[in-house]
Amino acid sequence: AQTVTQSQPEMSVQEAETVTLSCTYDTSESDYYLFWYKQPPSRQMILVIRQEAYKQQNATENRFSVNFQKAAKSFSLKISDSQLGDAAMYFCAYRSGNSGGSNYKLTFGKGTLLTVNP
Amino acid sequence: NAGVTQTPKFRILKIGQSMTLQCTQDMNHNYMYWYRQDPGMGLKLIYYSVGAGITDKGEVPNGYNVSRSTTEDFPLRLELAAPSQTSVYFCASSYSVTYTFGSGTRLTVV
Repeated sequence: AQTVTQSQPEMSVQEAETVTLSCTYDTSESDYYLFWYKQPPSRQMILVIRQEAYKQQNATENRFSVNFQKAAKSFSLKISDSQLGDAAMYFCAYRSGNSGGSNYKLTFGKGTLLTVNP
Repeated sequence: NAGVTQTPKFRILKIGQSMTLQCTQDMNHNYMYWYRQDPGMGLKLIYYSVGAGITDKGEVPNGYNVSRSTTEDFPLRLELAAPSQTSVYFCASSYSVTYTFGSGTRLTVV
């Protein structure tokens, strides 16, 4: 079974600074997808970024980028120019690249609570 | 386009009571899921469904039941509520690698 580990229960960053959230995963599969979700106090789950394992290029979405190290099974999220609105719980998640059944489920890490200080 | 709608948003149950958490999606997604979120534990899969009439257990199914009579609806049933079922519950649906989550139900069992 796949597992996702987020080793930082809490992180803080000054507004306008850069912060990196860590995520490692364990899998025997070669094809899979990795996600970062943001959960603000409203509880809504918001997709931040998605990475396909077969793509070597790191995904980027505006101020958010990932450092995907497939051999090390590491998938960290970098937030640049942090804003107060970035304060939230962040979850790393894994999905198998195989087809059908339980392969489409998301497996989540425990989350990292990010505080942004003004 | 409403996405995934969960009701109720909040509920307090007494030990031993039963209730159904409702989940409806209007995107014609075949795959639907129920997760529970406990503080510091992330989201854990309770049940999932690959289409109408087909459901299967996830990681933490004990104490819950589901049904999927239509593509749109995927209700979660708690038969005998226990304090351990105090949690936030999320319903989600997916198509390919796009996942849509409901806004969650905060359930407290006292």
